[in-house]
Amino acid sequence: DAKTTQPNSMESNEEEPVHLPCNHSTISGTDYIHWYRQLPSQGPEYVIHGLTSNVNNRMASLAIAEDRKSSTLILHRATLRDAAVYYCILPLNNNDMRFGAGTRLTVKP
Amino acid sequence: EAQVTQNPRYLITVTGKKLTVTCSQNMNHEYMSWYRQDPGLGLRQIYYSMNVEVTDKGDVPEGYKVSRKEKRNFPLILESPSPNQTSLYFCASSSRLAGARETQYFGPGTRLLVL
Repeated sequence: DAKTTQPNSMESNEEEPVHLPCNHSTISGTDYIHWYRQLPSQGPEYVIHGLTSNVNNRMASLAIAEDRKSSTLILHRATLRDAAVYYCILPLNNNDMRFGAGTRLTVKP
Repeated sequence: EAQVTQNPRYLITVTGKKLTVTCSQNMNHEYMSWYRQDPGLGLRQIYYSMNVEVTDKGDVPEGYKVSRKEKRNFPLILESPSPNQTSLYFCASSSRLAGARETQYFGPGTRLLVL
């Protein structure tokens, strides 16, 4: 199973962009890269996912390295409501979302 | 509104007293899963179901049972709860395999304390 590595924590100022990195050097050619986040006292929620090309949606952007061994979740303007634990995941075929420790994002006003 | 609901949200029980945590989704999803979340261990899959009457073990199935008699419901059963099953439980659903293109929708969680 491909493993992901993320920093334990990051800080950002409100209204500034945030780049959350993820390493997945053992990714296979068919693994999708998913990002979820978990706000305090809530269940995980989907943020974005991609395979090879960069992806944008209303919540964030996902930049995937050309060799796919790393990716970066980009929040263009962090708000206080974006404070959460962000998980980079390579789901298994049995629908198993292997959530690791994730990155705890703190947003300072 | 598309959602996954779980009940109860909080439960305190004693060792050995059977309990059921219900999970229901209104999105007509085929795939449903149960996870437990413990500090330092992330989310670990307990059981999953690919459709009605089709269930299989995840990473940590010991001490749990599930059933999938209807598409929308996927209850988690603890026949004889023990203190090591004290945890935060999440139910999730998706229309297809999350490993492909689909996203999973998670419920709000059930916090269980077994004394």
